[in-house]
Amino acid sequence: GAGVSQSPRYKVAKRGQDVALRCDPISGHVSLFWYQQALGQGPEFLTYFQNEAQLDKSGLPSDRFFAERPEGSVSTLKIQRTQQEDSAVYLCASTRLAELTGELFFGEGSRLTVL
Amino acid sequence: KQEVTQIPAALSVPEGENLVLNCSFTDSAIYNLQWFRQDPGKGLTSLLLIQSSQREQTSGRLNASLDKSSGRSTLYIAASQPGDSATYLCAAPIQGGSEKLVFGKGTKLTVNP
Repeated sequence: GAGVSQSPRYKVAKRGQDVALRCDPISGHVSLFWYQQALGQGPEFLTYFQNEAQLDKSGLPSDRFFAERPEGSVSTLKIQRTQQEDSAVYLCASTRLAELTGELFFGEGSRLTVL
Repeated sequence: KQEVTQIPAALSVPEGENLVLNCSFTDSAIYNLQWFRQDPGKGLTSLLLIQSSQREQTSGRLNASLDKSSGRSTLYIAASQPGDSATYLCAAPIQGGSEKLVFGKGTKLTVNP
């Protein structure tokens, strides 16, 4: 595709619900990243894939967060039993190269509000 | 642990003014540094990527410099326009050429007509 596409753009969940956020990276991009951005803050790293392999998940806040990229293209970030502190914008980014020596392209994000 | 700080947090200038945004980082053993722009409710747009072998990168009215020895980068915007109003974020790898970026909190720029 022309850019990184994320869906849904907005999600309101009741506390305790499960949510799934989708990221469709730029076609052919090897690396895919998930970041979490709280209001007024810079994005914070969650996890990183190279093709289908999840190479780093050190930023995931708890075991309620799970990400996958089974075929090395589309990725899903799943949050189980959502809590109010999970409210944030979840940003997906991709880059063509396996190492971050190139430009990083971000999607517009999925804004999650947990009531 | 890499920490990235941006000063000022907010800046308001009249149209046409030249301005400088500052970014400092604690771990200077990085391979590159990126500057991004974020409009309200939007994702991040990459503005400039500076490799460690470079001292500067230019794109139109934007010029970014990187001084690893002092742990600083600056984004210079010439002849600012109202359309430049946005939040500007810098990001450095957590170490070396790591794929994991550490972002500053950003500088919110307002250019008044």
